[in-house]
Amino acid sequence: GQNIDQPTEMTATEGAIVQINCTYQTSGFNGLFWYQQHAGEAPTFLSYNVLDGLEEKGRFSSFLSRSKGYSYLLLKELQMKDSASYLCAVRDRAGGATNKLIFGTGTLLAVQP
Amino acid sequence: DTAVSQTPKYLVTQMGNDKSIKCEQNLGHDTMYWYKQDSKKFLKIMFSYNNKELIINETVPNRFSPKSPDKAHLNLHINSLELGDSAVYFCASSHQISGRYEQFFGPGTRLTVL
Repeated sequence: GQNIDQPTEMTATEGAIVQINCTYQTSGFNGLFWYQQHAGEAPTFLSYNVLDGLEEKGRFSSFLSRSKGYSYLLLKELQMKDSASYLCAVRDRAGGATNKLIFGTGTLLAVQP
Repeated sequence: DTAVSQTPKYLVTQMGNDKSIKCEQNLGHDTMYWYKQDSKKFLKIMFSYNNKELIINETVPNRFSPKSPDKAHLNLHINSLELGDSAVYFCASSHQISGRYEQFFGPGTRLTVL
């Protein structure tokens, strides 16, 4: 079956660091994405991990451990504009559909002053 | 501007009506998708087309019919609308050949069925 778990909500303080975890169990695995979605807007791409390890991109970093079925998104120097939903998505290869994304339910992050 | 665009942005209609949502991308991508995001913000794939060929067809009522007249367009037609169809529908596109698999999303169409 397909199962992707993320915390529903998190709260953090401006200037701090926050880590959003994602665990997955999918029938196929061909990479993991993180997307950011502000209220009323489209999801926008943040990161893609296909190999184990840490990918850093500015204030955002994403980590993947395939053996543990685990990823996290790390946001540093939090800003108020980082308040949004963060969606974890696994690229599934089941059934030959090579770019099918299975999304988690998203983590709503509230950044407080 | 280069982007994924959808029309209309808002769609309010009565139960039983038939409606269409249009999507266009000018990113030169070869694959397009339709997603449904429900009231709990869960984003679920419905369909995907690669070079006008249907490659993903999830368990979706057959009242939903996608059509891709060319690589840059993917439309969604919905027959006999039901209350449960109320959601935000997102179109997305990606470029499979390049090996960059991130999907770019359109602004969404908020469908409300009364």
